[in-house]
Amino acid sequence: GQNIDQPTEMTATEGAIVQINCTYQTSGFNGLFWYQQHAGEAPTFLSYNVLDGLEEKGRFSSFLSRSKGYSYLLLKELQMKDSASYLCAVMDSNYQLIWGAGTKLIIKP
Amino acid sequence: ETGVTQTPRHLVMGMTNKKSLKCEQHLGHNAMYWYKQSAKKPLELMFVYNFKEQTENNSVPSRFSPECPNSSHLFLHLHTLQPEDSALYLCASSQDGTSGYSEQFFGPGTRLTVL
Repeated sequence: GQNIDQPTEMTATEGAIVQINCTYQTSGFNGLFWYQQHAGEAPTFLSYNVLDGLEEKGRFSSFLSRSKGYSYLLLKELQMKDSASYLCAVMDSNYQLIWGAGTKLIIKP
Repeated sequence: ETGVTQTPRHLVMGMTNKKSLKCEQHLGHNAMYWYKQSAKKPLELMFVYNFKEQTENNSVPSRFSPECPNSSHLFLHLHTLQPEDSALYLCASSQDGTSGYSEQFFGPGTRLTVL
């Protein structure tokens, strides 16, 4: 079967760095997405990785290792507004997104 | 209006009611999606339309019936729902439903409660 695993909840301190991991097993691979979802709001796109390596976009970076079925989202200089759920999703061979249950990130002052 | 809009934002219905959820995208996209989001569970893909043709139906019960009259509008018709159908229903669109890099844009969702 297809499976996406990510931690349920993480806590970090304002100004610090946090890494959210995602491991996956899917039928085919056409890229990995990270989305941010604030409580009561729609998910919004953060990043897309299809090749191995690190993609950097401002305070956020995303890493992919296809051979290990592994990705992480790195958030630097954390701000209170980064408190949200972070969703990992893999596009399978049918171009459909398979989603993880999300990681709730709590930022403390 | 910009992006993806959904109406209503909140809906409470009895198990014998019939209601419809509406989604509209103003992005010129060709693919539209219905997802179900339950607490602490992964997003569940329900239906996919690509160029107005339904391309995916993930074993969704027949009490959920989608309709896509054109590439900008998507409906989800609901009838004789069960309490376990209570969830957040999200609509999304993307430029193309058959390419790898095709970011999905989400609407704000309809919070559905079935009594």
